[in-house]
Order: sequence, then structure tokens, then C-alpha cells
Amino acid sequence: AQKITQTQPGMFVQEKEAVTLDCTYDTSDQSYGLFWYKQPSSGEMIFLIYQGSYDEQNATEGRYSLNFQKARKSANLVISASQLGDSAMYFCAMREGYGNKLVFGAGTILRVKS
Amino acid sequence: GAVVSQHPSWVICKSGTSVKIECRSLDFQATTMFWYRQFPKQSLMLMATSNEGSKATYEQGVEKDKFLINHASLTLSTLTVTSAHPEDSSFYICSARDLAYSYNEQFFGPGTRLTVL
Repeated sequence: AQKITQTQPGMFVQEKEAVTLDCTYDTSDQSYGLFWYKQPSSGEMIFLIYQGSYDEQNATEGRYSLNFQKARKSANLVISASQLGDSAMYFCAMREGYGNKLVFGAGTILRVKS
Repeated sequence: GAVVSQHPSWVICKSGTSVKIECRSLDFQATTMFWYRQFPKQSLMLMATSNEGSKATYEQGVEKDKFLINHASLTLSTLTVTSAHPEDSSFYICSARDLAYSYNEQFFGPGTRLTVL
């Protein structure tokens, strides 16, 4: 069974608008972590934001925020005020327990239009 | 801080040859390193997890005799693709973690693009 599901293969957003990238996950662990990474065409993986399963508040990092809905098992990434440089592949990932491996979703390609 | 380098950044080799890819943590001690493979427009697939001084743990379906992983020191892990074939052409990415620093974050290298002719 898919542990991490990203249902949007590709998304377009107008520059300066906000965009939400969807991510749902499946785990029976009580302790887990959710991550979002950005991968531009150069291939490097850029860490964006982290949400722990016990964190009560949604994580925020600058223009990035994570909409964490634990009961729905969703961890959507919201990018505010999109910029052309945000065009990239975005991956949602999950770590089950502490210190364990990451499992990645299929990714969403985001294109920001001017 | 927390920089991970990979060498080479790209390599082209002939079918049947072996290729070694290095992954180094430059400013921290990596107790655990991970190796991923990524085909074009696909996700990262974990190949193996290596802890310093012990044998790597391979994911199901990954041939351990073909993808040799050595984690001989706290700052260096190597992936050797033995007898490479065109189907091994891919983007290989390593990541490193220091449990003394964070349970959460893995620091990724810039990746190595392997093309087997």
C-alpha cells in the first residue's frame, strides 16, 4: 500500500498567488514525521519544512506552511506569494518512528506562470 | 553547516565496467547514510541504509552484489555499481544524518548522474 500519496502530477500557479500541494499518508505509528522537499531541475533536494506527529501547531517556514490534519492523515504544503523560482518538483516524505528512513511520494511538478 | 558532497557529479561509462560514487559529510559526522536512485520524472527510491562500521541494509529488490555500499568512516560512504548496464543509468542521491544533531533531518548530496552506454 502507498505510504505517501501525492495526487497532483502537475500544477500551475500564477506568480504572486498561493498554491496548495496535496499529500496524504498512511501509517499505524503514533510517532512519525512529515517532510516537504523541493527538487529543482539541477537535482538537488532542498528541505522546506517539517511537521512532527505530536506537533499541535502547523509548521511554518517563511512562505511555506504545512496544513497538518492528523485525523485526515493529510499534510498539504501551502506556498504563499509564488515566485518564478518556485517552479520545481515537490516531494512529500514521511519518517516512521525515530531515526528511520524516509518514504517519498511520487511528487508534484509545480510551474509558476508570469 | 550540514553539507553533503557527492563525487562525481556525473559519469559516463561503458557497459560492463564498475563505477564508484562517493558521498561525504563535510562538517558533521554521519552516523547513518542513505542511498537513493531516481529515474527521470520519478520519485526517490531508497536503495540501502548504511551505518558506519557495519554492513548496509538493502531494500527489497535491490541487488546487494551489484550495488556495493561501504561506510568505512563517519564522513564517507561509497556506492559501487558493479558491471554496470544501460538500465543502471539513473540519478543517484545520497543523504546523511547525524543522530546527535537531529532525529529529523537528512541532509542530501547534490546527486550523481550515471549514464551507461
